[in-house]
Amino acid sequence: DAEITQSPRHKITETGRQVTLACHQTWNHNNMFWYRQDLGHGLRLIHYSYGVQDTNKGEVSDGYSVSRSNTEDLPLTLESAASSQTSVYFCASSTALNTEAFFGQGTRLTVV
Amino acid sequence: GENVEQHPSTLSVQEGDSAVIKCTYSDSASNYFPWYKQELGKGPQLIIDIRSNVGEKKDQRIAVTLNKTAKHFSLHITETQPEDSAVYFCAASQHQAGTALIFGKGTTLSVSS
Repeated sequence: DAEITQSPRHKITETGRQVTLACHQTWNHNNMFWYRQDLGHGLRLIHYSYGVQDTNKGEVSDGYSVSRSNTEDLPLTLESAASSQTSVYFCASSTALNTEAFFGQGTRLTVV
Repeated sequence: GENVEQHPSTLSVQEGDSAVIKCTYSDSASNYFPWYKQELGKGPQLIIDIRSNVGEKKDQRIAVTLNKTAKHFSLHITETQPEDSAVYFCAASQHQAGTALIFGKGTTLSVSS
């Protein structure tokens, strides 16, 4: 079955380190998204992509970057991890705009 | 940009009662309004969605209503069951502008038996 997977599921890193979270989908969806989930803030959009070589900033993009070199993957990079980036990160994909977005299981990132 | 407000943040009901969650949005150009359910330790899953050319949509015990004039939409769950306990998120986006989904802050629904 087609799916969307995130790795790692849990990660602890130190302040100042560069961290990359992986997202891989096998549906051949053009649209991919990264959200962070924090208590009291819900799901906030970090970056999104509508196709290969396309990337766009979301609501809370400072300190994060993405690149889209193929259809299946949208890795999220924290350039210099900060404690404020401790969160649960969700990747999602959809086949078209205004259609169902399928979410991964999430990555819990702790920055110490 | 779009801003989505969701209320209440927590909701407790008895099994069999109805539950209503309300959302308002700021951008009148938004035209797609999905609802997602998130169970503990999992990613959100779509349960129902509505587009701006429709005022109401039902799927068994779940219904969504949309009032474009007032810029608000609501989720109605009837005959609640313990397995309905979860976090529910509303969201909004604009198809024409190609915007991604903007979510509300979520409602934690607890159904006690």
